[in-house]
Amino acid sequence: IAGITQAPTSQILAAGRRMTLRCTQDMRHNAMYWYRQDLGLGLRLIHYSNTAGTTGKGEVPDGYSVSRANTDDFPLTLASAVPSQTSVYFCASSDSTSNEQFFGPGTRLTVL
Amino acid sequence: GQNIDQPTEMTATEGAIVQINCTYQTSGFNGLFWYQQHAGEAPTFLSYNVLDGLEEKGRFSSFLSRSKGYSYLLLKELQMKDSASYLCAAMDSNYQLIWGAGTKLIIKP
Repeated sequence: IAGITQAPTSQILAAGRRMTLRCTQDMRHNAMYWYRQDLGLGLRLIHYSNTAGTTGKGEVPDGYSVSRANTDDFPLTLASAVPSQTSVYFCASSDSTSNEQFFGPGTRLTVL
Repeated sequence: GQNIDQPTEMTATEGAIVQINCTYQTSGFNGLFWYQQHAGEAPTFLSYNVLDGLEEKGRFSSFLSRSKGYSYLLLKELQMKDSASYLCAAMDSNYQLIWGAGTKLIIKP
C-alpha cells in the first residue's frame, strides 16, 4: 500500500441496504476524515478521527457512522442507504505537523 | 456562519497568467489551503498560507490577507494540464477545513 486507499471504487446500492466504505492509510497519520463531494458544493465533512479510538461528527453526520479501532483503518458505514446519499466519498488523512490532508481516490456511490 | 466564496468557473489561454480569488469567513483561523482536483480524481495539495503575504512555488503562487479574509492562487505560464478545479479551504479554530465549491479552470490553446 502506498498512501491512502479506498474500496470499493464504485458501487450501486438499493435503498435501505447497509454499506461500508473502507479506507486504509500506511502513513501513520493520526487524523483521518470522511468527506462527501456533490456537484456545485464544496467538500463536506461527515466524520473525523483525531487519533485511534476517538471519533467526532462533522457537518453532515446523519445516516453515517464510523469507527477507528487502529491507526490505519477508518471505515464509514451507511446503516440504511437513502438516495440523497448518492455522492462521491473521499477519505483523507493528515499528521499533526503539517495539517496537509492527503486524499484517497474516492468511492462513487449511487443509491437507487 | 462559516463560508468560503470563489468563482464557479474561469477561462484562460495557454501560456497566460490567471488569478483565482477566494474570500473566507470562519470561526477562528488556522490557515488557508489550495488544492487542485482534476476531473474524476482526488484533490491534491498545492499550497498553505498562515501568515500574510505571497508564497511562491514554481509556476504557482498563493497570497493571503488575514485582515481582509482574502486569498488568491496565481498560476503562471499556463499549460493545458492545468485545466482542473481549484479548491480553496480555510482551517477553523477546531482545525477542521471549510471548503469552497471550487473554481473550474478551462485552458484554451
